[in-house]
Amino acid sequence: SQTIHQWPATLVQPVGSPLSLECTVEGTSNPNLYWYRQAAGRGLQLLFYSVGIGQISSEVPQNLSASRPQDRQFILSSKKLLLSDSGFYLCAWSSQVYEQYFGPGTRLTVT
Amino acid sequence: KQEVTQIPAALSVPEGENLVLNCSFTDSAIYNLQWFRQDPGKGLTSLLLIQSSQREQTSGRLNASLDKSSGRSTLYIAASQPGDSATYLCAVTSSNTGKLIFGQGTTLQVKP
Repeated sequence: SQTIHQWPATLVQPVGSPLSLECTVEGTSNPNLYWYRQAAGRGLQLLFYSVGIGQISSEVPQNLSASRPQDRQFILSSKKLLLSDSGFYLCAWSSQVYEQYFGPGTRLTVT
Repeated sequence: KQEVTQIPAALSVPEGENLVLNCSFTDSAIYNLQWFRQDPGKGLTSLLLIQSSQREQTSGRLNASLDKSSGRSTLYIAASQPGDSATYLCAVTSSNTGKLIFGQGTTLQVKP
């Protein structure tokens, strides 16, 4: 069966520090991968999606970037965090039938 | 631009009640519709997926319907239990973009 992992589970970082969140998927190959952010009291916002290694599409202009160095690994990064980057970050994967499965999330607090 | 709306935003019911959560979307060009559950501080759990050609899906005490032409879906929860307390999110996959677009969610509290 397929599983999706995210780490770390929680993170507290000062403004201006770098960020790296990791997502890995097991039990499937060539998945579509997604990064979402859920800010307090707001809905889920799609940040990035990837249909293959090295293929990244950005949905909104922002302080973040994403990379897919391996088929089942998706990384969310920032060189310098802003206060507005705080939120709950969710990674998801889907097969070609577009049913998405979500990871447990990372709670990021920028102080 | 596809917009997804969920009503009500919050709902509190006594244990044992049957309840309906509503979801509407503005563009009928969808590939499928998913209902998710989210517990506080946790990720999303997929509950039901309805393909655009389907009318409903059932899983245990949950039944989801889809009326694509009117842009509506409902999630019916039978005999609610305190363990059903969570936020329920509706999302549609756009057949134009392949992207999942979420509603704001309905936060459900089932009181024992």
